[in-house]
Amino acid sequence: AQTVTQSQPEMSVQEAETVTLSCTYDTSESDYYLFWYKQPPSRQMILVIRQEAYKQQNATENRFSVNFQKAAKSFSLKISDSQLGDAAMYFCAFIDSNYQLIWGAGTKLIIKP
Amino acid sequence: DTAVSQTPKYLVTQMGNDKSIKCEQNLGHDTMYWYKQDSKKFLKIMFSYNNKELIINETVPNRFSPKSPDKAHLNLHINSLELGDSAVYFCASSQGSAARNTIYFGEGSWLTVV
Repeated sequence: AQTVTQSQPEMSVQEAETVTLSCTYDTSESDYYLFWYKQPPSRQMILVIRQEAYKQQNATENRFSVNFQKAAKSFSLKISDSQLGDAAMYFCAFIDSNYQLIWGAGTKLIIKP
Repeated sequence: DTAVSQTPKYLVTQMGNDKSIKCEQNLGHDTMYWYKQDSKKFLKIMFSYNNKELIINETVPNRFSPKSPDKAHLNLHINSLELGDSAVYFCASSQGSAARNTIYFGEGSWLTVV
């Protein structure tokens, strides 16, 4: 069974500091896509970053970057210069061969002013 | 300008009632989805439509019936609501397969069954 594991239910970081959210997954497929989604209190699911498994280069989007380790099946999200608006639930997700998103349990990120 | 919009955002209803949640996307996408997020925050796919045709139908009770009148709309109708149906329901869309294209989510509809 394909699974996504986020081992940190909650993380906190001081404003302007850097935080890393961890995610591991399990799959037997070689070609797939990984995502990080943000869910603020408004509950909307917002795509933060996407990584194609066939690409060795780690994806980056402004202050957000990933550390993708395919062999280790690890896909962590680094947020630099944390801002108050970054406070949200962060979900790691993986697309399986049936085109379904397999979601992690989420990590609640708290930003301390 | 909302890409994926769903209504209502909040719905409180009694057990046994029938209710619908509507979803519309203005992105020109050909694939739409319904997800259920339970109290533990897990998102589970319920249905997926591509060009108005059902392509994913997960194991959900028959009380749940999706309807896609056109590519831009995917409504969810729920009959005989039960307490366990309480959850946040997310509509989403993508152009082509979600495996290779970004899925855009609506803001969610929070259903509470009392």
